[in-house]
Amino acid sequence: EAQVTQNPRYLITVTGKKLTVTCSQNMNHEYMSWYRQDPGLGLRQIYYSMNVEVTDKGDVPEGYKVSRKEKRNFPLILESPSPNQTSLYFCASSTPMNLAEAFFGQGTRLTVV
Amino acid sequence: GEDVEQSLFLSVREGDSSVINCTYTDSSSTYLYWYKQEPGAGLQLLTYIFSNMDMKQDQRLTVLLNKKDKHLSLRIADTQTGDSAIYFCAERSGYSTLTFGKGTMLLVSP
Repeated sequence: EAQVTQNPRYLITVTGKKLTVTCSQNMNHEYMSWYRQDPGLGLRQIYYSMNVEVTDKGDVPEGYKVSRKEKRNFPLILESPSPNQTSLYFCASSTPMNLAEAFFGQGTRLTVV
Repeated sequence: GEDVEQSLFLSVREGDSSVINCTYTDSSSTYLYWYKQEPGAGLQLLTYIFSNMDMKQDQRLTVLLNKKDKHLSLRIADTQTGDSAIYFCAERSGYSTLTFGKGTMLLVSP
């Protein structure tokens, strides 16, 4: 079954404690992306990757890092989380020529206290 | 930068038609999309329209595009309670990214 898998689904952490949200896809997609969703702000892109070892900043990259060492995985790293990073995070993947038909993960709800 | 605007909330009765509106600023947009997000789930692509089209119909969904006014709408005929969700308009701005609106919450009452 084609899918994008994020882990964990829910996470509560404390300010400053490094965390990683994993994202894995099984469709051999080149393009992967991270979004955060906040009430009244919709989805905003954090980082995206066109292929292995190619990553670029989206609209709201501050406070985040990503890596793309393998095609299937695109982890999102928060080196020093802050409360303003409390949000719902989505990972998505697609082929570069068909960005609209993106497969989205189920989301990770992160709370930073 | 590119901007996509939507009204935040729409309430309709079951069986009525729903119309969700969206405006965008990037005149070079090539594709415009509608996504649906059900509670606790990710985004699901509903339909899309190429910028050289005025209308696209897919079963109960009708998309209208007014390129001159940069206005996009999604009409859902015979709206059902299962259509209650958040609907996002998005535009393809450049090769590498989608820009989303803030989402319209559609509430369908019996």
